[in-house]
Amino acid sequence: TQLLEQSPQFLSIQEGENLTVYCNSSSVFSSLQWYRQEPGEGPVLLVTVVTGGEVKKLKRLTFQFGDARKDSSLHITAAQPGDTGLYLCAGAPSQETSGSRLTFGEGTQLTVNP
Amino acid sequence: EAGVAQSPRYKIIEKRQSVAFWCNPISGHATLYWYQQILGQGPKLLIQFQNNGVVDDSQLPKDRFSAERLKGVDSTLKIQPAKLEDSAVYLCASSPSRVTDTQYFGPGTRLTVL
Repeated sequence: TQLLEQSPQFLSIQEGENLTVYCNSSSVFSSLQWYRQEPGEGPVLLVTVVTGGEVKKLKRLTFQFGDARKDSSLHITAAQPGDTGLYLCAGAPSQETSGSRLTFGEGTQLTVNP
Repeated sequence: EAGVAQSPRYKIIEKRQSVAFWCNPISGHATLYWYQQILGQGPKLLIQFQNNGVVDDSQLPKDRFSAERLKGVDSTLKIQPAKLEDSAVYLCASSPSRVTDTQYFGPGTRLTVL
């Protein structure tokens, strides 16, 4: 069973601060996705990283996939209240299986206070 | 493009009662997933369909949970009888094909078992 550990579990910061969320595993993933989930809604895909060492930017969000494809980080610059939500990482298995079964982390609940 | 639809959005039942959830995936999406998300945790895959066939149901508690996807489109997930620990959000997701990892989630059904 492939496990993904996210840290921190909870994060409460002030508007304008920077933050980093981590997603770690002992397993290798073929790709890793980051989702944001708001209360009462399903997760929404933010980005998919595929190549070891890959860095993707989405406005103030920077995503990095570890060189060994076992870990990833999400960095938010100048956080805003609209960034509040549950951030989930999800890894796709490294070998093709009978399905595309994602393994989700437990999530990081981010609260950005105005 | 319409998203994944789920109903009902909320359901409250007493333990030992039965409940059913409905999902309508994005048109043309071959793969459909049901996840259980307990408060404070990441989504856990219950069952994955490819068209109307089951690809992965290894984490489905088959003594009480059942799911079907007739005609390879809509799907229903049933719990009979419900237990207190079944209280969770049940998310439905769909993706275009079995080799595509991008999943699109519905808003979920929040189940409370009293």
